[in-house]
Amino acid sequence: GQNIDQPTEMTATEGAIVQINCTYQTSGFNGLFWYQQHAGEAPTFLSYNVLDGLEEKGRFSSFLSRSKGYSYLLLKELQMKDSASYLCAAMDSNYQLIWGAGTKLIIKP
Amino acid sequence: GAVVSQHPSWVICKSGTSVKIECRSLDFQATTMFWYRQFPKQSLMLMATSNEGSKATYEQGVEKDKFLINHASLTLSTLTVTSAHPEDSSFYICSASSIAGDYNEQFFGPGTRLTVL
Repeated sequence: GQNIDQPTEMTATEGAIVQINCTYQTSGFNGLFWYQQHAGEAPTFLSYNVLDGLEEKGRFSSFLSRSKGYSYLLLKELQMKDSASYLCAAMDSNYQLIWGAGTKLIIKP
Repeated sequence: GAVVSQHPSWVICKSGTSVKIECRSLDFQATTMFWYRQFPKQSLMLMATSNEGSKATYEQGVEKDKFLINHASLTLSTLTVTSAHPEDSSFYICSASSIAGDYNEQFFGPGTRLTVL
């Protein structure tokens, strides 16, 4: 079956770094997406990886290892506004997104 | 970036009535539109996938006669919740995709919060 696993909740301190892990199993693979979702709002796109390696975009970076079925989202210089849920989603061979349950990130001052 | 709108943003209705939610891609032509439902503290659940001019493909467990999807053009899809009941209260989110570069990104609408009394 198809499955996405990510931690339910994480806590970090303002100004620090946090890494949110995601493992996936899909029928075929066409890329790994990370989305940010604030409470009561729709998800917004953060990153896309289809090749192995690290993609850096400002304070956010995303890593992919296809052989391990593993990705992580790295958030640096955390700000209070980064408190949100972070959704990992893998695209299968039918170009459908398989969603994780999301990781709720709590930032403390 | 690509913009997707949804209307209405929120709706309250009586049990037994029908509610229509519109999803529009404003600045691009969406080859495919997706409808999701999200209950509190849960992830997105895909309800159906629709391509313009063809019947929607519903996920297992989603009643196609209750959740009517019409995708009449490359910029508009509608979801009608027929004979709504309190258990249908949820956050309904649409997304639209087109071939962008070498991947198929989904652009999300802002969501519609449905409360059935």
